[in-house]
Amino acid sequence: KQEVTQIPAALSVPEGENLVLNCSFTDSAIYNLQWFRQDPGKGLTSLLLIQSSQREQTSGRLNASLDKSSGRSTLYIAASQPGDSATYLCAVYGQAGTALIFGKGTTLSVSS
Amino acid sequence: GAGVSQTPSNKVTEKGKYVELRCDPISGHTALYWYRQSLGQGPEFLIYFQGTGAADDSGLPNDRFFAVRPEGSVSTLKIQRTERGDSAVYLCASSSAGGMNTEAFFGQGTRLTVV
Repeated sequence: KQEVTQIPAALSVPEGENLVLNCSFTDSAIYNLQWFRQDPGKGLTSLLLIQSSQREQTSGRLNASLDKSSGRSTLYIAASQPGDSATYLCAVYGQAGTALIFGKGTTLSVSS
Repeated sequence: GAGVSQTPSNKVTEKGKYVELRCDPISGHTALYWYRQSLGQGPEFLIYFQGTGAADDSGLPNDRFFAVRPEGSVSTLKIQRTERGDSAVYLCASSSAGGMNTEAFFGQGTRLTVV
């Protein structure tokens, strides 16, 4: 059974810092991996999708990498801003290829 | 529509009552997913539709939960004899094909509170 773990559970940084959020999964036979952002009381906003044949994706200040063999993905946020404060969720398509399996998320707080 | 729409945004119901939660996916998306999210947890898979049929309902916790998608577009999640433990945010997502190498888009969720 696929399990997704995100470390750390919470992170506080001052504005301007570069930071890395970690995601690990137990079964490397994934189809793709998706990073989401969730603001308090809101739904999920898709940030980046990495397909199984890719190693990274970039969007603005965000860069996500994928290493299937080691079962890891990282989300790099450059020059963090207070507006980046949110919970970041990592999700993978499991073996059945039907449902995204989520980690519990990392709650990020960026202070000004 | 422009995005995934869920109604109502909030629902308070008494224990034992029946509730329906609605999801309007992005137009043209054939795959539709329901998830449940409790406080401090990641979304938990409930059921997945490909077109009109439930391709995977292995996440439904018990037979009080049921979902339909009769015309392959709008979906309704139905919960019978609600219990306080059903209180959570129910999220709906859609994607263009489902399964491999597709991006899922989520709605804002329905916050269900059972009192």
